Amino acid sequence: QSALTQPRSVSGSPGQSVTISCTGTSSDVGGYNYVSWYQQHPGKAPKLMIYDVSKRPSGVPDRFSGSKSGNTASLTISGLQAEDEADYYCCSYAGSFNWVFGGGTKLTVL
Amino acid sequence: EVQLVETGGGLIQPGGSLRLSCAASGFTVSSNYMSWVRQAPGKGLEWVSVIYSGGSTYYADSVKGRFTISRDNSKNTLYLQMNSLRAEDTAVYYCARGNDPKYYFDYWGQGTLVTVSS
Repeated sequence: QSALTQPRSVSGSPGQSVTISCTGTSSDVGGYNYVSWYQQHPGKAPKLMIYDVSKRPSGVPDRFSGSKSGNTASLTISGLQAEDEADYYCCSYAGSFNWVFGGGTKLTVL
Repeated sequence: EVQLVETGGGLIQPGGSLRLSCAASGFTVSSNYMSWVRQAPGKGLEWVSVIYSGGSTYYADSVKGRFTISRDNSKNTLYLQMNSLRAEDTAVYYCARGNDPKYYFDYWGQGTLVTVSS
């Protein structure tokens, strides 16, 4: 199972919006509405930000939103804040009791 | 409060074995599916293995036949037995709780570092 494709880095200024893409195949992202997104600060554990493509867990700001079109999922962060600077990983269920992650995207808040 | 605490990492020679533990609190490991996810230094996350509430287990191709996931319900603890370790198994290993019947991981431990080197 190949890793999902994410841009290595994105950046934005405080208050702006950024979108991180996550491209897979019809066997993972395109085949299931089971895409999740995780935020990871340096040296910390991943934190769930989005599940089932576009749902937010309790406690996650509504500045974070998710979507999917075909084999590509996206995470959009609006109203960027300094604390949003982190690595972001997408993840998709890939069938046959397997999951696949993306390579990760480093978000820099300028 | 849900907590996951991994232990058992360390430096091990290629070909060696190591067993990781993940002690859970705030929920019952046997009532959820549980996974191990690893992260090589400076790299992304990689799903490793899952054990379902019914006991079924599944593995990534990269570790199949070498790693074994299990749990001890009496200790509410998840394990990962790693045999025939290779340099490419060097990573921080996280345990994560799956949100049954959904397909995402809602709680993660802080991870334990495994270094395979001679």
